[in-house]
Parts: sequence; structure tokens; C-alpha cells
Amino acid sequence: ENVLTQSPGTLSLSPGERATLSCRASQSVSNNYLAWYQQKPGQAPRLVIYGASSRATGIPDRFSGSGSGTDFTLTISRLEPEDSAVYYCQQYGGWKTFGQGTTVEIK
Amino acid sequence: EVQLVESGGGLVQPGGSLRLSCAASGFTFSNFWMSWVRQAPGIGLEWVANIRQDGREKGYVDSVKGRFTISRDNAKSSLYLQMDSLRVEDTAVYYCAREGKGGFDIWGQGTMVTVSS
Repeated sequence: ENVLTQSPGTLSLSPGERATLSCRASQSVSNNYLAWYQQKPGQAPRLVIYGASSRATGIPDRFSGSGSGTDFTLTISRLEPEDSAVYYCQQYGGWKTFGQGTTVEIK
Repeated sequence: EVQLVESGGGLVQPGGSLRLSCAASGFTFSNFWMSWVRQAPGIGLEWVANIRQDGREKGYVDSVKGRFTISRDNAKSSLYLQMDSLRVEDTAVYYCAREGKGGFDIWGQGTMVTVSS
């Protein structure tokens, strides 16, 4: 099983600041089949990034994904209050495991 | 509108059974792999099972193998999860999700399953 480890556990930043979230896999993620999801309290997850770097439909361009192999990053370039959420990475090629999540708090 | 709506959750005793349903609308259901994902209270996401478009290929997380069965009815645009021999640790919100061209691009609102005596 490919274990995904996210860091940090919590990120507390001010509006307008840059957020950098990390996702590290215990084995290489095939074909960069790595997605990021945003989940707000009481809501279902929402796809943000797929294929490590492609934005999903309707996602603002302040969200970007990068990385390959075992190390991936989600960057939110200029935080907005509505970006407050838990963000999960997931590898979806074959075994579909999720990371444990990173909470982004807006001060 | 593209939509997934789950139903069938509730309170069940350990060892009991429950069948979840997921009704799809707004897209051609038979063209997509579908998955169930669960989230225990205050915990992260766990993929549970998935099923190919024709229903002939299925996958399960180890913790539910032999207890849960995923199925689909393309004529009814519906996905199902039969859950038997339920355990306390199966308590969670269960989401159905569409497997798009990359990742799970459509999610339902979830249905709560509580396993407790």
C-alpha cells in the first residue's frame, strides 16, 4: 500500500499570504495520478487538482499543483477567507489512498 | 445538473446489515467507474470500494473485503453498497463519488452510518 503523508498538519496564515501544502508518498505515484481535494465543515470533498498539476473545473487559478514521483505540493498563491478548509491528497491509480489531511486556517 | 444522492444510512447494531444507495443524474452513469468513500467522525477520508462501468471489475479496501459488496444498476443509474457483519469501526459518513478523467470529480452529500449497540 502506498502511504501518503501530508505536512504540516495545520497551517495558519493571513489573507493574501501564500500556502504551501506537502504530500509525500511512500512509493512513486504512477503516471502522477495524484489529486488534491478541499473539504469544508459539513460538506463533501471537492476536487481541486488532478494529474498532480491540472486544475479541476471551476477552481480559481490561485490554486496550483506540482511535483512528481513521491513528492507533491499544493500551493494557494493568495489566500482568501473562503480557502479555509481541510485539504487531502489522494493517489488514484490502482489503490486509491488518501493522505491524512492538512487544515488551512485563515487568521 | 450533475448530481449524486446517497440514501440508506442509519443506526444498526454490530453484526447487522445495511444497504446504501446512490442515485446519479445529469450524466451518463454507465460511462464511469464509481466509488464509495467513507469518513469516520473527525477523521480523514478512506476509499472503500469501486466498480467498473459494466460491473464486472470491483475493488475493496482490505478492511471491508468479504463483508461489503459494491454493485450497480446502469438502467437505474444507481450505485449500491451492501454492508454485512458491520462493526463499530464502520461508523462513518459514506459518500459515493464518480471517478472522472482524474480523481473523484463528483461527490454526493453523504449518508451517515452508525454502528452501535
